[in-house]
Amino acid sequence: GENVEQHPSTLSVQEGDSAVIKCTYSDSASNYFPWYKQELGKGPQLIIDIRSNVGEKKDQRIAVTLNKTAKHFSLHITETQPEDSAVYFCAAQNYGGSQGNLIFGKGTKLSVKP
Amino acid sequence: DTEVTQTPKHLVMGMTNKKSLKCEQHMGHRAMYWYKQKAKKPPELMFVYSYEKLSINESVPSRFSPECPNSSLLNLHLHALQPEDSALYLCASSQRTGGRWETQYFGPGTRLLVL
Repeated sequence: GENVEQHPSTLSVQEGDSAVIKCTYSDSASNYFPWYKQELGKGPQLIIDIRSNVGEKKDQRIAVTLNKTAKHFSLHITETQPEDSAVYFCAAQNYGGSQGNLIFGKGTKLSVKP
Repeated sequence: DTEVTQTPKHLVMGMTNKKSLKCEQHMGHRAMYWYKQKAKKPPELMFVYSYEKLSINESVPSRFSPECPNSSLLNLHLHALQPEDSALYLCASSQRTGGRWETQYFGPGTRLLVL
């Protein structure tokens, strides 16, 4: 089955710096890769996603890159702000498969220091 | 609007109680999910309903019983739970398009404490 590895587990940056979180997946059938942000006491919130027919996607300060050959994808946050502090989860899915389950990485706790 | 609502927000129950968690979405999504999340861990899938039929049951103990009364509602019935079942229970929903599973949107969760 699919396995998603996520690094680092914790990341501390100064406000205004960039943050990068990396994930690798094992199943070449996976073709959809969302990123979720989870603040304390809340449910995961989708922040950006990418499908396997695209190499990069950007939304304001957030970008995701995908390397299908190497089976890895990354989240890039530029000009970090204290409100970016949260736990970030990457996930992988075969959106055309018989099952709709997302396979999550273990999460990265991002702390942005003012 | 990508809102999934869950009630109650918090629940404390004894091991002999019966309670239910509720989830609702009005986005016309035809897939709904229950996840369990322990502290500092990712969500773990419990059940998936597709077109109101149970699609996936990830070997969840029978003390958890899901129900999908219609395309907008999802319930999780709880009975004879154990303290280790204390967790955040998340509901999610997604569209189904021509057999494809689309983006999942999560609710805020129900924080469950079993005493």
